[in-house]
Amino acid sequence: GAVVSQHPSWVICKSGTSVKIECRSLDFQATTMFWYRQFPKQSLMLMATSNEGSKATYEQGVEKDKFLINHASLTLSTLTVTSAHPEDSSFYICSAISSYNQPQHFGDGTRLSIL
Amino acid sequence: DQQVKQNSPSLSVQEGRISILNCDYTNSMFDYFLWYKKYPAEGPTFLISISSIKDKNEDGRFTVFLNKSAKHLSLHIVPSQPGDSAVYFCAASDSGNTPLVFGKGTRLSVIA
Repeated sequence: GAVVSQHPSWVICKSGTSVKIECRSLDFQATTMFWYRQFPKQSLMLMATSNEGSKATYEQGVEKDKFLINHASLTLSTLTVTSAHPEDSSFYICSAISSYNQPQHFGDGTRLSIL
Repeated sequence: DQQVKQNSPSLSVQEGRISILNCDYTNSMFDYFLWYKKYPAEGPTFLISISSIKDKNEDGRFTVFLNKSAKHLSLHIVPSQPGDSAVYFCAASDSGNTPLVFGKGTRLSVIA
């Protein structure tokens, strides 16, 4: 089945650090990738939609300068949390889709802890 | 305003019995529905989907039922196994590749 790899799985770093999370589709070309955030006992909340070669579309309330998304190829999207602060600590998950009406396939998520 | 609601945060079922997980939605534009299973510290795993042109889709032990008039869908797992214990998320979208809207999840515990 379709495999999405997300790296790193866990990051602990100091406040003010920028953190980059990678999302790769391993066995298919992802026309669209999505970035979600999940707080404890909450649902997955969409942060942004990214299409290869174009700017990401951010959901309302998500700071585009804070959460930089790059989708440079059909198999790789990156999310950079710039100048991270403790309130950015969360579980970040990416997903990828190959074509219309196909299910999204998710990475295993990245747990980000900012001290 | 929650467009996808899973009103039961948890469910316990005995091994071998049927598990029924419910999901309601409010947006009548939704036409594609999915169920995902999630273990702790892992990403959601796709289980089964249904489009609005159908009212039932079956895959092995998993069956999803869609009642469009009631804006309700359910996931049936039969027979339930201890390995099915996880959080199940219902998700919906208004076309195949637009962002999914997730419910808050239902934690299923299958007791041996």
